[in-house]
Amino acid sequence: DTEVTQTPKHLVMGMTNKKSLKCEQHMGHRAMYWYKQKAKKPPELMFVYSYEKLSINESVPSRFSPECPNSSLLNLHLHALQPEDSALYLCASSQEGTGSNQPQHFGDGTRLSIL
Amino acid sequence: QKEVEQNSGPLSVPEGAIASLNCTYSDRGSQSFFWYRQYSGKSPELIMSIYSNGDKEDGRFTAQLNKASQYVSLLIRDSQPSDSATYLCAVNPYSNTGGFKTIFGAGTRLFVKA
Repeated sequence: DTEVTQTPKHLVMGMTNKKSLKCEQHMGHRAMYWYKQKAKKPPELMFVYSYEKLSINESVPSRFSPECPNSSLLNLHLHALQPEDSALYLCASSQEGTGSNQPQHFGDGTRLSIL
Repeated sequence: QKEVEQNSGPLSVPEGAIASLNCTYSDRGSQSFFWYRQYSGKSPELIMSIYSNGDKEDGRFTAQLNKASQYVSLLIRDSQPSDSATYLCAVNPYSNTGGFKTIFGAGTRLFVKA
């Protein structure tokens, strides 16, 4: 079990659907991250929130829309995704904000399949 | 382009042996170094952090850092079949825009044979 909780664990959606991935942590961490990971590849950073503000956007397509309602929650809204967006989506958190030397703690991920 | 390089493997060692995993990085300003273990289909799990030159030991794991050579390694003593996984080296390079973005290596696949 991890201290970063992601829901759902699996998601299958069509290219015209709208869905959201959710992430929650109660470790008091002030930085939260979204990563995309394809099979046999390392995690690829998408977004970083520091103190609930978006601090890094790695040129992610607008069909991915992050949201940080409060310091414990992080959402990723999905709309009009493509088959190549099928991947494991990982949420992580770390102490302090961007600029921290602290390690990131990962959730179990959401395995997303686009039909 | 800031890079973290690892041998993709697979690295195969017999049970009870020492597994040695290596990683090099390109950014001399890097401050923090991490090793994550990732089982197939699972998320990365932090196993070691190291910030200063030298060795850091935690149980069967020893991380070694040499900033002059831009090299970080992970030694796993008394390897067990349950250690079979992909090991990701992660580095926080310095960013002149402020903040650190963790850069992951491609990972080394380790197989421990019973």
